[in-house]
Amino acid sequence: QVQLVQSGAEVKEPGASVKVSCKASGYSLTIHSMHWVRQAPGQSLEWMGMIYADSGDTKYSQNFQGRVTLTRDTSTNTGYMELYSLTSEDTAVYYCARDPTRTAYFDYWGQGTVVTVSS
Amino acid sequence: EVVMTQSPATLSVSPGERATLSCWASQSVGSNLAWYQQKRGQPPRLLLYGASARATGIPARFGGSGSGTEFTLTISSLQSEDSAVYYCQQYNNWPPLTFGGGTKVEIK
Repeated sequence: QVQLVQSGAEVKEPGASVKVSCKASGYSLTIHSMHWVRQAPGQSLEWMGMIYADSGDTKYSQNFQGRVTLTRDTSTNTGYMELYSLTSEDTAVYYCARDPTRTAYFDYWGQGTVVTVSS
Repeated sequence: EVVMTQSPATLSVSPGERATLSCWASQSVGSNLAWYQQKRGQPPRLLLYGASARATGIPARFGGSGSGTEFTLTISSLQSEDSAVYYCQQYNNWPPLTFGGGTKVEIK
């Protein structure tokens, strides 16, 4: 069955970077694109970007342009999200999610990774 | 950017009654709208896509309608397990993909 398992919680100081992993099972990252969405405490959902299944090309929200990098390792079927120059406003739960049909909604989600930015 | 607005912010409904949630888009998104349910401490769960198509395993009491800029999620007979926050998301004009602010459904 399809599963997305993310890496554990992180605590970072302002100015640092964080890299979150998302291991997919039950399907291939070369077939279904992976998106990343974050949710600040008590807030709605915010789309960060995606990595296309076929090409590995990426597309980012302008809100994160230049501050986030999405990559993948097809040999381990794992996606990665790295966010740089962290501030307290980046404190959030970060989710990876699968796009079922290249239509950009999400049928499976990871369990979420809590990233706390604090000095 | 397409701005998604949801109403009401909180909805209190008795078990067995109908719950109606609204979502508006700042410009037409056709039928490219999804609805998610999120319970506390859990990731979102896909309920509907294409404005009205139920995702796998979603009970028939969840229904969606609308197109263009106005959409509705209806829970025909509310169950206790339906207590959650519900989000709409457009995937017609992107990037960025955008979500509404959410409607919290409480059981009376």
